[in-house]
Amino acid sequence: QVQLQESGPGLVKPSETLSLTCSVSGYFISSAYYWGWIRQPPGEGLEWIGSIYRSGSANYNPSLKSRVTMSVDTSKNQFSLNLSSVTAADTAVYYCARKVHGFDIWGQGTMVTVSS
Amino acid sequence: EIVLTQSPGTLSLSPGERNTLSCRASQSISNNQLAWYQQKAGQAPRLLIYGASSRATGIPDRFSGSGSGTDFTLTISRLEPEDFAVYYCQQYGSSPWTFGQGTKVEIK
Repeated sequence: QVQLQESGPGLVKPSETLSLTCSVSGYFISSAYYWGWIRQPPGEGLEWIGSIYRSGSANYNPSLKSRVTMSVDTSKNQFSLNLSSVTAADTAVYYCARKVHGFDIWGQGTMVTVSS
Repeated sequence: EIVLTQSPGTLSLSPGERNTLSCRASQSISNNQLAWYQQKAGQAPRLLIYGASSRATGIPDRFSGSGSGTDFTLTISRLEPEDFAVYYCQQYGSSPWTFGQGTKVEIK
């Protein structure tokens, strides 16, 4: 079955860049669909960060657009998130997900803390 | 940006009860591209409903979605113990895709 797994540092210093990768198994990301990133600060709700298509075309949340870059690596069946100039407000669980009609498959999430 | 407002914030119910959650959008959602998710503590959200009323794969038929335009509802016909969780609506018809703030369904 389709599975997604996030990976990356759990601790990032303020002003640095948060980098996460989502590895996809059971499905070729080059086949179709959008792939997205969503985050959830501790005790809060969900925030869509952005989504990327297999072609590399991306769509970002305007609230984060100036700091976000997403990319796709079809050879590794992965897609990635970079969030620059992080602050404590970026501390959250970060999820990657597949978007078909809504986000139908999610990774387990990875906690990223921004702290010096 | 479409703002989604969910009500109520918290519902206290007993197993076996019927439950209706509301999601209201600040403007009409294109093609009823509205999804509902269930999230339990420490877990990723799980897709329940997409397209306002279509059940996702493997979702029990006690979950149903309805609505169009700006007003949508999720109904759980008979609450099972495993249904106590937080529920979110999300629109994916207009960018930026947005989530509601969530409704917590707790055991009475």
